[in-house]
Amino acid sequence: DAGVTQSPTHLIKTRGQQVTLRCSPKSGHDTVSWYQQALGQGPQFIFQYYEEEERQRGNFPDRFSGHQFPNYSSELNVNALLLGDSALYLCASSSVSSDTGELFFGEGSRLTVL
Amino acid sequence: SQQGEEDPQALSIQEGENATMNCSYKTSINNLQWYRQNSGRGLVHLILIRSNEREKHSGRLRVTLDTSKKSSSLLITASRAADTASYFCATGTGANSKLTFGKGITLSVRP
Repeated sequence: DAGVTQSPTHLIKTRGQQVTLRCSPKSGHDTVSWYQQALGQGPQFIFQYYEEEERQRGNFPDRFSGHQFPNYSSELNVNALLLGDSALYLCASSSVSSDTGELFFGEGSRLTVL
Repeated sequence: SQQGEEDPQALSIQEGENATMNCSYKTSINNLQWYRQNSGRGLVHLILIRSNEREKHSGRLRVTLDTSKKSSSLLITASRAADTASYFCATGTGANSKLTFGKGITLSVRP
């Protein structure tokens, strides 16, 4: 049973560029959340997708956008990259039918913006 | 913004000792969870405690929750070198709500 998978694992971009990160949720999960973790900090919630719609959003600018596909996989897009966007981007999946709030995380995509 | 504040920020103990980590939060919660992260990799869920629970056990882990003080503690008994990691508390306001994480505690267990 595959867990949450993310790609790419590492990438380097320059300021102003755009990036797309991908996530496949754990089998049986239908909800995908994205978190940004800066070095030495805890993860910060970006947004959550369920039924191909953004359900909740954290305090991130519109440069951060996402998408969820019918197979529950998801993408995170960041436009006009800034140096401060350098971070580990974590995808987490869960099931809306679960009565717990447990999240299953992928290994993350480490983005470096130069 | 960070909801949970873990204490201490760093903890170094000898293998076999117990490790106690504390977390305080600010707003009402539905549940509080603890996660472990090894060397900047993905987070692994350790244990969840609901707001109507006071204590929970899972293997070598014991978590307590005091909603009147808005605080929680995680106890790892008989620590092992493999427990070396960063530990985060996270609060949720519902079963599928976003989680708000603290800044984390770095635990080092010396062999």
